[in-house]
Amino acid sequence: DSGVTQTPKHLITATGQRVTLRCSPRSGDLSVYWYQQSLDQGLQFLIQYYNGEERAKGNILERFSAQQFPDLHSELNLSSLELGDSALYFCASSVERDICGEQYFGPGTRLTVT
Amino acid sequence: GQNIDQPTEMTATEGAIVQINCTYQTSGFNGLFWYQQHAGEAPTFLSYNVLDGLEEKGRFSSFLSRSKGYSYLLLKELQMKDSASYLCAACNDYKLSFGAGTTVTVRA
Repeated sequence: DSGVTQTPKHLITATGQRVTLRCSPRSGDLSVYWYQQSLDQGLQFLIQYYNGEERAKGNILERFSAQQFPDLHSELNLSSLELGDSALYFCASSVERDICGEQYFGPGTRLTVT
Repeated sequence: GQNIDQPTEMTATEGAIVQINCTYQTSGFNGLFWYQQHAGEAPTFLSYNVLDGLEEKGRFSSFLSRSKGYSYLLLKELQMKDSASYLCAACNDYKLSFGAGTTVTVRA
């Protein structure tokens, strides 16, 4: 158990819908990272927040957005969902501000878009 | 951009040694990570190399050559539980890019 929690574990929704994924980092960690893992694309870095501020941005679509709240939990919002958005979404946390630090991954949310 | 290459699959026998190679091309390179991921589970950290050379951690060792854009993960005394995907990832200041992963199958 990494200490990072993610909810829900599974999510099934229809195309065009909007969903919110939630992540709580390990106690004491200020950085939260979001990743998407699909069979054809591997693990893709989406975005990083550090202490409430956006710190780094990867291959995140404009239909996706994220935020980190004062209690340091984070939410990833996915809108206008397409079939290709079906994937495992991981959240990771780190005590470090820089992306080049050891990250602890949560168990993931499996999103299925039908 | 960043380009990370690693073999798709490797098979080895229990008790043997396997070396997983990773080559990368990236701007502003800071360091190279290795993560282990069992099917359906989250990645777990194995190693992080910043400087050239070999770092040993129990049965697992990781090597980096910055000038060659090359790293490898060495798994010794293979156990059945080592069957997993091994992800190589290169980072610069603002991005962490993962390779597609190498699936290692350990046979009895």
